[in-house]
Amino acid sequence: DTVLTQSPALAVSPGERVSISCRASEGVNSYMHWYQQKPGQQPKLLIYKASNLASGVPARFSGSGSGTDFTLTIDPVEADDTATYFCQQSWNDDTFGAGTKLELK
Amino acid sequence: QVQLKESGPGLVQPSETLSLTCTVSGFSLTSYSVSWVRQPSGKGPEWMGRMWYDGDTAYNSALKSRLSISRDTSKNQVFLKMNSLQTDDTGTYYCTRELRAFDYWGQGVMVTVSS
Repeated sequence: DTVLTQSPALAVSPGERVSISCRASEGVNSYMHWYQQKPGQQPKLLIYKASNLASGVPARFSGSGSGTDFTLTIDPVEADDTATYFCQQSWNDDTFGAGTKLELK
Repeated sequence: QVQLKESGPGLVQPSETLSLTCTVSGFSLTSYSVSWVRQPSGKGPEWMGRMWYDGDTAYNSALKSRLSISRDTSKNQVFLKMNSLQTDDTGTYYCTRELRAFDYWGQGVMVTVSS
């Protein structure tokens, strides 16, 4: 299985820029996707295939990377962005990262 | 609009079989694939398996021996059956549509495995 490694948590102030990383144990081409999940809700697609913004997602969100290293960037961060962010690869079956919990200072 | 809704029992006895239904609207099961994804409380999601738009299936290798996914296109439903449930199968089970990624998700159904 392709293991996706994410930092457990980050804390930023509103208005700042934050980068959330995801490292794959093997190359996944550009087949990396990002989701936002708030407590008690289902995940919401933010970015597909590394850098493509999903429909209706604010342009404050962006994605980059290829191969094994990927980044989700939020700029600027808003209070409503408090959530857990998951990466998911679909190159080699499908696996998810354990998530990065984003908290606002 | 696109909607997916999971239904099924909230409580399952250990060693029993879990049966869930995903009822979809706003799209055709013969045009889009649907996956089942589960998530233990406080942990990351786990892809379980997929019903391809053409009727083929794919399964997570860790669950393949216990899992079966089927569909009824006339009723717009996708089914999940998983046997030999244990306590670590407890979690929220989602069905999700696929277009490049999992673009629409149901609200999920909480399943507890306990006697």
